Amino acid sequence: DAKTTQPTSMDCAEGRAANLPCNHSTISGNEYVYWYRQIHSQGPQYIIHGLKNNETNEMASLIITEDRKSSTLILPHATLRDTAVYYCIVRDNLYNQGGKLIFGQGTELSVKP
Amino acid sequence: KAGVTQTPRYLIKTRGQQVTLSCSPISGHRSVSWYQQTPGQGLQFLFEYFSETQRNKGNFPGRFSGRQFSNSRSEMNVSTLELGDSALYLCASSMGPAGETQYFGPGTRLLVL
Repeated sequence: DAKTTQPTSMDCAEGRAANLPCNHSTISGNEYVYWYRQIHSQGPQYIIHGLKNNETNEMASLIITEDRKSSTLILPHATLRDTAVYYCIVRDNLYNQGGKLIFGQGTELSVKP
Repeated sequence: KAGVTQTPRYLIKTRGQQVTLSCSPISGHRSVSWYQQTPGQGLQFLFEYFSETQRNKGNFPGRFSGRQFSNSRSEMNVSTLELGDSALYLCASSMGPAGETQYFGPGTRLLVL
């Protein structure tokens, strides 16, 4: 089972920031928080990941709470092309965990004009 | 750098047939994972290969199998196709086996009639 909880859907106005929350209250010390998104019928696209500190890249920012039990993905200026299902995943980056990603249902973000 | 490629992109088969799907990872990536996506079950992990060895396997019947070649390219095979095997099959590659970031291909959409 997925170790994260996300809202089923969210709306955002074009040009505004989209803040997507994720709860991962059982996260362990070795586990990273990953975000992917999937635009309809395409392969999931990697967005960002982090362990403890906040992270930022050209696509988004990731804010992780101090207790690491929740995080927020921020798309600073949402466009219509950001409409997608966003998945928050926690996973261990150790050798013995390998490549298994456990996807939940994700958040369906609709960016509206 | 070219992304993950999957062939074919679309496929129609009939029940009882078998199918082979192909995945070419990003250059330099040695780990390949496969996922199945259906409307009912979402994204589910099938298996992972590294250095031509299967390292992880999801909860799928033995009809689902895979292999990896010395150039890191991978194939998955489904024998005795069932209607429920209709899905989007996704391949993801990463640098190595220690849980590095996975990058997904566009997927192969399989329809079983």
